[in-house]
Amino acid sequence: DVKVTQSSRYLVKRTGEKVFLECVQDMDHENMFWYRQDPGLGLRLIYFSYDVKMKEKGDIPEGYSVSREKKERFSLILESASTNQTSMYLCASSQTGHGYTFGSGTRLTVV
Amino acid sequence: DQQVKQNSPSLSVQEGRISILNCDYTNSMFDYFLWYKKYPAEGPTFLISISSIKDKNEDGRFTVFLNKSAKHLSLHIVPSQPGDSAVYFCAASLYYNQGGKLIFGQGTELSVKP
Repeated sequence: DVKVTQSSRYLVKRTGEKVFLECVQDMDHENMFWYRQDPGLGLRLIYFSYDVKMKEKGDIPEGYSVSREKKERFSLILESASTNQTSMYLCASSQTGHGYTFGSGTRLTVV
Repeated sequence: DQQVKQNSPSLSVQEGRISILNCDYTNSMFDYFLWYKKYPAEGPTFLISISSIKDKNEDGRFTVFLNKSAKHLSLHIVPSQPGDSAVYFCAASLYYNQGGKLIFGQGTELSVKP
C-alpha cells in the first residue's frame, strides 16, 4: 500500500524554537507539497517541490523554509516557531496529472 | 484572493437522504476538479474527480456535477450514511501545469444523523 509518512502525529514546541517536520513518500512521486489546515481557512499551500533540490513558494511561505535533498523526502522547517504557527500540517505527494496522496498530518502546538 | 470557495461551513443531513455539497471557483483556466474527505486526526483522502470536459462523474453513491458556465461544482451523496460524516474539501488544478498543484476550498463539515 502506497504511503506518505509524516514523522510525528503530535508536537509541542516552545516559541522561538527551530522545528523540523519530516515527510517521506514511497511512491517515487515527482511532486511534494506542504499545507496547513486551519478552521475556516481550509488547506493553504506553504511550499511545494517538483523535483529534488527544487522548491517553490506557495500562498503562505512566510516563516517557513523547506528542504528536498532526496526525491522521497520533503522537510518543512519553522525557523523560529511562533504561536500563530500552531496548526495541523499536512504533507502530500503526487505524480503530475494525478491527485494527491496525503500523510496523516502533524498537529503542532507552539506554546 | 480565494480562488476556490465553499460557502457552507457545515451541513446536517438525515441518514438515507441526499447530501449536496457546493463549491465555486473563479479561475476559468482550472481544468480538473477533485473532492477530498477528511476525518479528524487523519489526512484527506481522495473521493472523486472530474475533468472540465465532462459535466458529471459518478462513483457509487457519489456524483460530482460541474457547471463550467457558472464556475460551480457540487458533490451529491445518495443515500447519506453516518460514516459519511467528515469534512469535505473541493480542489481545483491546472491539470498538467505546476505539478498538478491543487487549490483547496475552506471545507464543509457534513454531519449525517441516524
